[in-house]
Amino acid sequence: KAGVTQTPRYLIKTRGQQVTLSCSPISGHRSVSWYQQTPGQGLQFLFEYFSETQRNKGNFPGRFSGRQFSNSRSEMNVSTLELGDSALYLCASSLVQRTNTGELFFGEGSRLTVL
Amino acid sequence: GQQVMQIPQYQHVQEGEDFTTYCNSSTTLSNIQWYKQRPGGHPVFLIQLVKSGEVKKQKRLTFQFGEAKKNSSLHITATQTTDVGTYFCAADLNRYSGAGSYQLTFGKGTKLSVIP
Repeated sequence: KAGVTQTPRYLIKTRGQQVTLSCSPISGHRSVSWYQQTPGQGLQFLFEYFSETQRNKGNFPGRFSGRQFSNSRSEMNVSTLELGDSALYLCASSLVQRTNTGELFFGEGSRLTVL
Repeated sequence: GQQVMQIPQYQHVQEGEDFTTYCNSSTTLSNIQWYKQRPGGHPVFLIQLVKSGEVKKQKRLTFQFGEAKKNSSLHITATQTTDVGTYFCAADLNRYSGAGSYQLTFGKGTKLSVIP
């Protein structure tokens, strides 16, 4: 079974540009979450999608957005990039469980460097 | 906002020594998960604890969930160089009220270094 696939793995952008990151979840997983990981702040929740609907959003500015497609693939977009957006962006998929937040399966991440 | 506190931040041990990381929350948790992230890698799920006072073992790893469901610990016996990495606890801080938030809040992690 293929794991969570994220593309691109590495990218370099300059301030003011925008970036789109892609995530393909494990087959059958309909929930996709995005996390930002930095040395100072650790893993911070960006948003979660299920059946093309955003069910929750973390405390990030509106420059951070995402969407999910009917095949459960997800993209996140960051506009007007700032230096502080440099981070590892991790996508995670999970099987939706009725009673508990399910185990997250993380992708390798997209490492964004903003110059 | 609500947080999951994890200590220590760093731990350096001699190979063969034991290691413990602790996770604490000010709120009662419905469950807690543990993840391991190897250097340069991505977080990998280790285990989920659900019941009050639950203890689970995976080979040399022992996971505990506190009686009040507000704290948890991961203990590694006789560390090996393969144990190197950062260990995170994570919880849905809003789940206990019955309305899941569909997000996990992660602790800052404990970075384990093992000296051979």
